[in-house]
Order: sequence, then structure tokens, then C-alpha cells
Amino acid sequence: GAVVSQHPSRVICKSGTSVKIECRSLDFQATTMFWYRQFPKKSLMLMATSNEGSKATYEQGVEKDKFLINHASLTLSTLTVTSAHPEDSSFYICSAHKLAGADTQYFGPGTRLTVL
Amino acid sequence: EDQVTQSPEALRLQEGESSSLNCSYTVSGLRGLFWYRQDPGKGPEFLFTLYSAGEEKEKERLKATLTKKESFLHITAPKPEDSATYLCAVQAEGTYKYIFGTGTRLKVLA
Repeated sequence: GAVVSQHPSRVICKSGTSVKIECRSLDFQATTMFWYRQFPKKSLMLMATSNEGSKATYEQGVEKDKFLINHASLTLSTLTVTSAHPEDSSFYICSAHKLAGADTQYFGPGTRLTVL
Repeated sequence: EDQVTQSPEALRLQEGESSSLNCSYTVSGLRGLFWYRQDPGKGPEFLFTLYSAGEEKEKERLKATLTKKESFLHITAPKPEDSATYLCAVQAEGTYKYIFGTGTRLKVLA
């Protein structure tokens, strides 16, 4: 199998606080994980590529100081939304790329962030 | 510029009414083309990976095909539980990143 989990599944926070989202590959190792953002009825927008043991690579227009990514092990990547504001409210999804074999990304179930 | 276009944007079918979803792409060297299914409020679920023109993959009522310019996802005798958004993504040579299409929202009526 190729199972990816995310925690929490849903979070509500006040404006100005920071929120951490965890992404774990449960039954395989992933040197590369990806973080996406999805708006209602829209497709997935890649935010950043997370590489184990090195700095993340951010897509154009994504603030790296606002969306902190840490890929501390071959099974865990975290996304921290710092000083969250209502416009950061969205559905955040991570995916993990298997270390060996096909080039397929396996996605987590997503995290719904609501900033009040 | 690498690009993925899916059509139609939305599709309503009667149960048992077969149809096809289209994914047209332009990419500087195709590494792979991927189909996913996404239910509301959930992450995409992997369906198929296609690597070269002429390749076909099947799973239950779904069949994916690939040419040099497009991919089709054929749905045979769909059931209401096939209702979902179907996403297509391509991966260019030299990168693991995906370029996603905007998806096709499929509704199958009983």
C-alpha cells in the first residue's frame, strides 16, 4: 500500500496565531513530499516541494516565511502557517513521492484550515 | 509552457451511460501522466499512471488511455458511487512535480 496521513484534519484558529500541519507516509519512505493548497471547486495549487534533510523549494508567489516547511525524516513533513490571517483559510493537502519505483504521488486526506 | 486542460468541466450521466473524460496536455518531455479521483473534502485518490503513447490501464469500470497529446478516462456503465471530481496531472522529465488540470466534476444519477 501507499498510505499518507495528515493531522489535524480540521483546525480553527484566531487571526495572528500559528498552525502546524503534519504529513506522514505510513508504510513507505518519501524523500520528497509536496504541499498543495486547494480553493473550493478549484484544482490543486502546488505551494512547495519538501526534501528530506534540505530546505524546501517554494513556488513563485508563495511566501516562505509565512509557510514554513520542515522535512525532518523520511516519513514526516510539517507545514506551519505563521501568523495566520483569514485569507489563509483553505484546504491544505500534502503528497508523498515513493523513494523507489514509480513516480506516483500519494496524497493525504487534507487539512481544512479556518482562520477567524 | 507546460499545460494541462481537462474537458468537460462538468458531466452528468445516467447510471449505465458510458462516457469519456479528456485530458489534453503540452509538456516538454512527458515523464508520466496520472489520473486521480477526488471526493469532496478529501485528498485525491490514485487511479492510474501512464508513461507512453499507446499504453492503457483498467480498473473496474475505468479505463485510461494515452496518446502523444491527450489521455482519455473511459467510464463504462457508471454507477452513482462513481460521482467525484477526476483530476489529470502530468509530470515532465527531470522533475517530480505535477501539473494538474482543473478537473472534471462527474455526477452519475440513479
